[in-house]
Amino acid sequence: AQSVTQLDSQVPVFEEAPVELRCNYSSSVSVYLFWYVQYPNQGLQLLLKYLSGSTLVKGINGFEAEFNKSQTSFHLRKPSVHISDTAEYFCAVMGVQGAQKLVFGQGTRLTINP
Amino acid sequence: GAGVSQSPSNKVTEKGKDVELRCDPISGHTALYWYRQSLGQGLEFLIYFQGNSAPDKSGLPSDRFSAERTGGSVSTLTIQRTQQEDSAVYLCASSSPGTNYGYTFGSGTRLTVV
Repeated sequence: AQSVTQLDSQVPVFEEAPVELRCNYSSSVSVYLFWYVQYPNQGLQLLLKYLSGSTLVKGINGFEAEFNKSQTSFHLRKPSVHISDTAEYFCAVMGVQGAQKLVFGQGTRLTINP
Repeated sequence: GAGVSQSPSNKVTEKGKDVELRCDPISGHTALYWYRQSLGQGLEFLIYFQGNSAPDKSGLPSDRFSAERTGGSVSTLTIQRTQQEDSAVYLCASSSPGTNYGYTFGSGTRLTVV
């Protein structure tokens, strides 16, 4: 079984500042990793995913994440945030073998202040 | 269709009544998932359909919850004798092998039990 811990429930940052949203996972098997974003009153949208290959993954809206197997982490970063990045961000994991079922973290609410 | 469609978008029901929530996945997607999003609880897996295989019901919280998927397409999540703790946003997602494990989510049904 897999589990995901998002270390920060809320992250406030100023516009144009860099941000890092932390995610750690636990799994007894190899995993695929995902970040989803949920804008207010909307469904979830895929930001980026790591399946294999390069551990640095680039996604939409200028976000990127780095898979660190030794630290079992998949932190999300953006060098300069905008007001429009205000949203809830979810980290998720799926076992490479077995059911193709995503296990989500509790979410991190990113608030961008002008 | 172009996206995952869920109906109704909002549902208010009295405690003890039964409710049905509908999900119309993307045409051709073989996998369909139901998740529940409660305030501060993240996304909780409920049930997963994959093609003609028996569904993975391991996330259903009680026997008041059931779901079916007719003809490998539309799915209905039924909650019998609703309780106040069932109040949440119910999210549906679909995927197929061609999406490389990326789920497409619907906008959800917000259920309020009064």
